[in-house]
Amino acid sequence: DSGVTQTPKHLITATGQRVTLRCSPRSGDLSVYWYQQSLDQGLQFLIHYYNGEERAKGNILERFSAQQFPDLHSELNLSSLELGDSALYFCASSVHGSEQYFGPGTRLTVT
Amino acid sequence: AQSVSQHNHHVILSEAASLELGCNYSYGGTVNLFWYVQYPGQHLQLLLKYFSGDPLVKGIKGFEAEFIKSKFSFNLRKPSVQWSDTAEYFCAVNAPGYALNFGKGTSLLVTP
Repeated sequence: DSGVTQTPKHLITATGQRVTLRCSPRSGDLSVYWYQQSLDQGLQFLIHYYNGEERAKGNILERFSAQQFPDLHSELNLSSLELGDSALYFCASSVHGSEQYFGPGTRLTVT
Repeated sequence: AQSVSQHNHHVILSEAASLELGCNYSYGGTVNLFWYVQYPGQHLQLLLKYFSGDPLVKGIKGFEAEFIKSKFSFNLRKPSVQWSDTAEYFCAVNAPGYALNFGKGTSLLVTP
């Protein structure tokens, strides 16, 4: 157990819908990263928040957004879902500049 | 462009065989290097990390890796694999404080 929690574990939804994925970092970690894992793209960085502020964006679509709240949990919002958005979504947390610890992931299936 | 390359996509070994998985990276500046493991149906777990110092690092479960700066490599090794090592292995690189850049992964199957 890494100490990073993610909910829900599984999510099945239809195209065009919107979903919210939640991540709680390890106690004391200020950085939260979101990654997408798919068979064709591998592990891709989406977005990084540090202490409530967006720090960096990776291959994140405009239909996707995220935020980090004062209690440091983070949410990833995916809208206008397409079949190709089906993937595992991981969040990771770290003390700034140190190794990242991953949560169990949310498996999103878009039908 | 920054990139991480893992040479072996699929590896099949018998128990007790030795393992070496290759990883090369292309990055400017200071880097941190990592190997993560993903057991079937599970999340990514940190096997080992290199930030600085001794280029030979030891991780959990008997794994080790060697950082060779001149070759931009960070190969993972284990002298004797077990069936329980069957998993996907990912090499990752980042500049300190930034997101991880992952290789495409190596799927290891250890047969009894």
